[in-house]
Amino acid sequence: DGGITQSPKYLFRKEGQNVTLSCEQNLNHDAMYWYRQDPGQGLRLIYYSQIVNDFQKGDIAEGYSVSREKKESFPLTVTSAQKNPTAFYLCASNPGLLSYEQYFGPGTRLTVT
Amino acid sequence: QQPVQSPQAVILREGEDAVINCSSSKALYSVHWYRQKHGEAPVFLMILLKGGEQKGHEKISASFNEKKQQSSLYLTASQLSYSGTYFCGTAGHSGNTPLVFGKGTRLSVIA
Repeated sequence: DGGITQSPKYLFRKEGQNVTLSCEQNLNHDAMYWYRQDPGQGLRLIYYSQIVNDFQKGDIAEGYSVSREKKESFPLTVTSAQKNPTAFYLCASNPGLLSYEQYFGPGTRLTVT
Repeated sequence: QQPVQSPQAVILREGEDAVINCSSSKALYSVHWYRQKHGEAPVFLMILLKGGEQKGHEKISASFNEKKQQSSLYLTASQLSYSGTYFCGTAGHSGNTPLVFGKGTRLSVIA
């Protein structure tokens, strides 16, 4: 079955630690995205990548980093510089053109204490 | 810029109709609509491209007014399963920029 997987579903970390969220897709999509969701805020774009070895900052990139070494993988690192990292993180992909739907992964809920 | 959705929340009884609006201050290439259940991934409903077309399936349809930079989602004869948060995502005029999502409209359907 084709789709997007994110792991883990729940993640707990201590303040000051970096943490990496996994996102893998087997849809052969060129474009991948990371969103952050907070209550009442909708989906806010963190980073996106339209091709391997290239990525761009979204609206709220500060305190986050990404890599795109393989077409199917787009991991997100939440660094200690992110002031308020507790949130629901969603990964998405699409073929690369915005006339196509975005496919979302199941999400990772990160709690930092 | 983030599109503005209205209303922020709505409560319906089963069988009632609802309209959710999405407005942008920028020229639009496309509008996407998604529904999200709490704690789950958003699920794609439909995409509308510039040209003012209307789309729909079953009892959920949508329109896109390119000149007004607005889209509306129509839910008719609502069912309990329609409950969730509805998001519109808009793409700029070139169609080659990432979607920008609105803050969402929380829809609750009660028996």
